[in-house]
This record gives sequence, structure tokens and C-alpha cells, in this order.
Amino acid sequence: QKEVEQDPGPLSVPEGAIVSLNCTYSNSAFQYFMWYRQYSRKGPELLMYTYSSGNKEDGRFTAQVDKSSKYISLFIRDSQPSDSATYLCAMNSNDYKLSFGAGTTVTVRA
Amino acid sequence: NAGVTQTPKFQVLKTGQSMTLQCAQDMNHEYMSWYRQDPGMGLRLIHYSVGAGITDQGEVPNGYNVSRSTTEDFPLRLLSAAPSQTSVYFCASSSLRGGGPYEQYFGPGTRLTVT
Repeated sequence: QKEVEQDPGPLSVPEGAIVSLNCTYSNSAFQYFMWYRQYSRKGPELLMYTYSSGNKEDGRFTAQVDKSSKYISLFIRDSQPSDSATYLCAMNSNDYKLSFGAGTTVTVRA
Repeated sequence: NAGVTQTPKFQVLKTGQSMTLQCAQDMNHEYMSWYRQDPGMGLRLIHYSVGAGITDQGEVPNGYNVSRSTTEDFPLRLLSAAPSQTSVYFCASSSLRGGGPYEQYFGPGTRLTVT
């Protein structure tokens, strides 16, 4: 079993919809949780990261962490065609190694 | 700032050949890392470094060597290429001021095919 599980999708939504993405994990030592966005044939770029449990909001993006359920989510409000990308979750247990999910491919239809 | 740069962008190797993938960053980051990305596997850490002269293994280090003689550069060497090393390789860097490599900046990637 992988340490980090992420449904690869693909996910297709109409413009303006809310996109909901999630990851589950098995390592209870994970404390730092990140979401990266990767456009086709480009390197990933960090969207946001959170420490421990709770919510964090940045513009149209909201990240949630539920450590009791070992479950993290990313919500994208008012989705735009420019949000079409692969979204990768990543986690860290306060060492120097990040564990990534496989990524979910999202298409926002105009 | 150029950020993280990688060369070459594309490379085709024959089985058994060796080569070096170059990575450089101009952000004075302590932390640098190499990942490979394969379909359905996400990003897997090959090697990482927390400063000049310090390197360590990640999840999939076999068949790869690294060294870090300067803060800016972190080359990845394939010792004897195998078809299983066909992949997209990403270099990334991060400051460690926050305690860990949480805000990694990635390069554009190198697409490697081994025949």
C-alpha cells in the first residue's frame, strides 16, 4: 500500500463549479501537508501548505486537513479553464523527504 | 532570478550509457532534490541535499549518483542507463528557514528515454 493515496481522476467540471480534491494517507507522523499544481509538460508549483489539522484559505483555494481521519482536501471555488491541471498532494513528517500522491487531473470546461 | 534550471530538456540514451543531468538554482536555497515522475506513480524522491557537501538517499536511489560541491548546483548522474530509468526528471530547491523543504521550487524537467 502506498503511503499517500490520490484518485487520479480525470475530473471534468463546468466553469464556475467547485472542484473538490482529496488524498488519504497511512503515516500518522505526517505533520505538513502541501498541494502542488502541475500544468501539462511543466514542473509542479506550490499552491499552499498547512501544518497539522485545520483549514487554510488563499483566494479561491481552501485546504483542509483532518489528521484524525488521515484525510486532506483541496477545494477550488469558481473554477476557471486556467485551473485545468494536475493537482498533487504532498506530505512530510518533519524530515527532509516529501511523499507525493499520484496526482488528480482536472479539466474545467468553458 | 532564473529560479531552477535544468539541462538538457530531452535526452535519448542507449542501455548502458552514462550521462549527467544538470540542475542549478539562483535562490541561495540550502535544500535541493531530484525526483522522477512516472505515469500513475506521482513524484518519487531519488536523492536530496541539505547543503554543499551533504547528500542523502531518497525513495528510489539505485542507479543514480549525486554530489553537491556548491550551493547552486546539484547534478544527477546515471551510471549505466536502463530502460526502467525512462522517465521525466525534476530538480527542486527549497529554503530550510521554515524547518523543512515545504516550499519547493521545481525546474522544467528533463524527459529521458532509454532504449
